[in-house]
Amino acid sequence: QQQVKQSPQSLIVQKGGISIINCAYENTAFDYFPWYQQFPGKGPALLIAIRPDVSEKKEGRFTISFNKSAKQFSLHIMDSQPGDSATYFCAAVSGGYNKLIFGAGTRLAVHP
Amino acid sequence: EAGVVQSPRYKIIEKKQPVAFWCNPISGHNTLYWYLQNLGQGPELLIRYENEEAVDDSQLPKDRFSAERLKGVDSTLKIQPAELGDSAVYLCASSLGGGTQETQYFGPGTRLLVL
Repeated sequence: QQQVKQSPQSLIVQKGGISIINCAYENTAFDYFPWYQQFPGKGPALLIAIRPDVSEKKEGRFTISFNKSAKQFSLHIMDSQPGDSATYFCAAVSGGYNKLIFGAGTRLAVHP
Repeated sequence: EAGVVQSPRYKIIEKKQPVAFWCNPISGHNTLYWYLQNLGQGPELLIRYENEEAVDDSQLPKDRFSAERLKGVDSTLKIQPAELGDSAVYLCASSLGGGTQETQYFGPGTRLLVL
């Protein structure tokens, strides 16, 4: 049973464009939603995270939008750069334990 | 500051053979995690340690997988015997504590291929 559904599976964006990755969840016990970035041959690294009492969080070119009623959240990458080419994972954490439930990932390719 | 260290980085074994992975977490991090990442998928938690104690091993296939974290620092994950379906990347992560919003720092992983 996939607790966090992520789409699209892959994404191609031109340099300077906006990359948008979407995630949805069912478990209302989730109370923290991080995004991880993974380059080939490396482990995932925390990119940005949001709590459900906040509707938007921005860090540089990266923004998380959160819709609690719809149980959906998304990552927007503004002015996408070739160096952003990586796999992005949304995740959710259940309250009480720091147990990350990952989505299946989105492979992003930013073309020059 | 050194990150999470894992070894070996790659391992190729025949099925039914044993294999072990080693992880050295970030200094001072009390919580250690082992994840399994299949190709094209997100990591899945296998086991979580708070110091020496395994506090969540519900996803660890205990018939063939075992783990230990002696002295609450380094950890080893073992598979015996390995099966073809065990081919994957095994990731180790650590965090300062076990709280919900504690950042987990991942190592580069060990890529296992079972032939």
